[in-house]
Amino acid sequence: KAGVTQTPRYLIKTRGQQVTLSCSPISGHRSVSWYQQTPGQGLQFLFEYFSETQRNKGNFPGRFSGRQFSNSRSEMNVSTLELGDSALYLCASSPQATDTQYFGPGTRLTVL
Amino acid sequence: DQQVKQNSPSLSVQEGRISILNCDYTNSMFDYFLWYKKYPAEGPTFLISISSIKDKNEDGRFTVFLNKSAKHLSLHIVPSQPGDSAVYFCAASVGSSNTGKLIFGQGTTLQVKP
Repeated sequence: KAGVTQTPRYLIKTRGQQVTLSCSPISGHRSVSWYQQTPGQGLQFLFEYFSETQRNKGNFPGRFSGRQFSNSRSEMNVSTLELGDSALYLCASSPQATDTQYFGPGTRLTVL
Repeated sequence: DQQVKQNSPSLSVQEGRISILNCDYTNSMFDYFLWYKKYPAEGPTFLISISSIKDKNEDGRFTVFLNKSAKHLSLHIVPSQPGDSAVYFCAASVGSSNTGKLIFGQGTTLQVKP
């Protein structure tokens, strides 16, 4: 099976812009979670979707949002980008929300 | 508030010796714990997990120990190999039915010297 894929792999934006990141889970996986990795904060949970519904949400401002489509693909959106949003954004999928998560390679976002 | 802590940012061991990576947690609601390994430019890869009903779980060269009273877990790698050099993350969740929301530690960079 193909692994979790994330697009794009690298992205450069400027402050104030918005960005949309995409995640395609492993085929058959219905749960998708998003994480932000920064040098100072480590890996932090953003949100989790299961069957198009948000199950859990981390402690991030409302500028961070996400959604999941009927084919389990997920997108996350960050509006009004700030310099501090520069990070590696990781997506993980699992068959159900009770299973081990498998991570994609991440999208490296740089905000200038 | 860092609920999962890995106090050692880095660890260096000789090939063939034991590597011990430590992790502490503060939230007593956590009852399912995992270790992930991460190479540069790749996403984290699942290594091993343990439920709070156990105090030890083994998988080949990897063993995880859980001390609930101390809110401490450790990952033992025996014997260590140069290919084990990576960043290791400890993670926790409230229940094995809620692994979609993992709380991670800061990570420990392991270097295994040939």
